[in-house]
Amino acid sequence: KNQVEQSPQSLIILEGKNCTLQCNYTVSPFSNLRWYKQDTGRGPVSLTIMTFSENTKSNGRYTATLDADTKQSSLHITASQLSDSASYICVVSRGGDTGFQKLVFGTGTRLLVSP
Amino acid sequence: GAVVSQHPSRVICKSGTSVKIECRSLDFQATTMFWYRQFPKQSLMLMATSNEGSKATYEQGVEKDKFLINHASLTLSTLTVTSAHPEDSSFYICSAFADGYTEAFFGQGTRLTVV
Repeated sequence: KNQVEQSPQSLIILEGKNCTLQCNYTVSPFSNLRWYKQDTGRGPVSLTIMTFSENTKSNGRYTATLDADTKQSSLHITASQLSDSASYICVVSRGGDTGFQKLVFGTGTRLLVSP
Repeated sequence: GAVVSQHPSRVICKSGTSVKIECRSLDFQATTMFWYRQFPKQSLMLMATSNEGSKATYEQGVEKDKFLINHASLTLSTLTVTSAHPEDSSFYICSAFADGYTEAFFGQGTRLTVV
């Protein structure tokens, strides 16, 4: 069954601290993995996208890693800011021959950065 | 990145009425659009996939006669919630996918409240 599991479910950290969010998936065939940030009441915004051959990708204070062998990914946030408070969603694309890729969403990690 | 505009952002309607939500790709042609529903503190759940000029494909458990999807042009898809009930209250999000892009782009979402 194609699934994406994220941990922790929620996380509270102090402003300025670092944190790492985890994503495990069983999606097959794998096409790519994305991390999205979703502010409350808003649509998801893409942070990073990685294909099978990529191990790490950075976007400012966000660094994503991918281990395609163990089917695990992580999102590391450095020097957290209050504006980082949001839900972070791991999304895995399942490759197919239909011309588009079906997205499998994780349940998300709700991050709260406190002052 | 490409821009997907969703309208309205919030709507309150009476039980039994119908509500139409629009999803527009502003600077690209969207061959495929996806409609999602998200309940509080839960991840996005795919409702249906629509391809321009053809009938939408609904996920299991989604009533096609209740959630009417029209994708009449390459830049516009609409979701009509017919005979809305309070249990239809949710956050509805669209995303658009275009050939040549490696990811789908999300709209801002629509908060539907049925009273």
